Amino acid sequence: DTEVTQTPKHLVMGMTNKKSLKCEQHMGHRAMYWYKQKAKKPPELMFVYSYEKLSINESVPSRFSPECPNSSLLNLHLHALQPEDSALYLCASSPGGLAGVGGNEQFFGPGTRLTVL
Amino acid sequence: KNEVEQSPQNLTAQEGEFITINCSYSVGISALHWLQQHPGGGIVSLFMLSSGKKKHGRLIATINIQEKHSSLHITASHPRDSAVYICAVKPSGSRLTFGEGTQLTVNP
Repeated sequence: DTEVTQTPKHLVMGMTNKKSLKCEQHMGHRAMYWYKQKAKKPPELMFVYSYEKLSINESVPSRFSPECPNSSLLNLHLHALQPEDSALYLCASSPGGLAGVGGNEQFFGPGTRLTVL
Repeated sequence: KNEVEQSPQNLTAQEGEFITINCSYSVGISALHWLQQHPGGGIVSLFMLSSGKKKHGRLIATINIQEKHSSLHITASHPRDSAVYICAVKPSGSRLTFGEGTQLTVNP
């Protein structure tokens, strides 16, 4: 299995809802990433997990809560989002851990298109 | 000034044409990535390179570390190559820094 999968593909939620995005990889990768991408813009890094520990939080609002239950799975829990949080949320993974490993190729998932009403 | 600059921002070509997209960066890096994104879709990694040249099918990527410059070439372009092409660099031990992307449209 050489891919990163993300579910759901599309999600529409109200500002009071609680929902979760899921990302899975079975390539044995030890770093996993969440990115947010607005239309016609490059991805913006949100979080990085390295060896199942949160290594980077790019000052993301607390209404986004990441979780890495095991080395294959990465979740992003959403609560009380705002309409401006509507975007494509991309997950990625890379073989090595983040620290001290330069040049590891990142494998991206297809993304979840999130719309907040 | 962005750490990663791509040119052109938009490119329209006729099917069969040879295409070049350029990427210049201003920091020391351990690797440079070329990524492809179709409309509304996820990102596909095309190449990761730290020196020289790589080829995959009709795609060729080159990098000149001294000049801090990379190019992505597409030979015999096809409408299915229409996508956004993104250059991203990775300074050692740090996270990917993305360019703004080049929107390529190949007309039949």
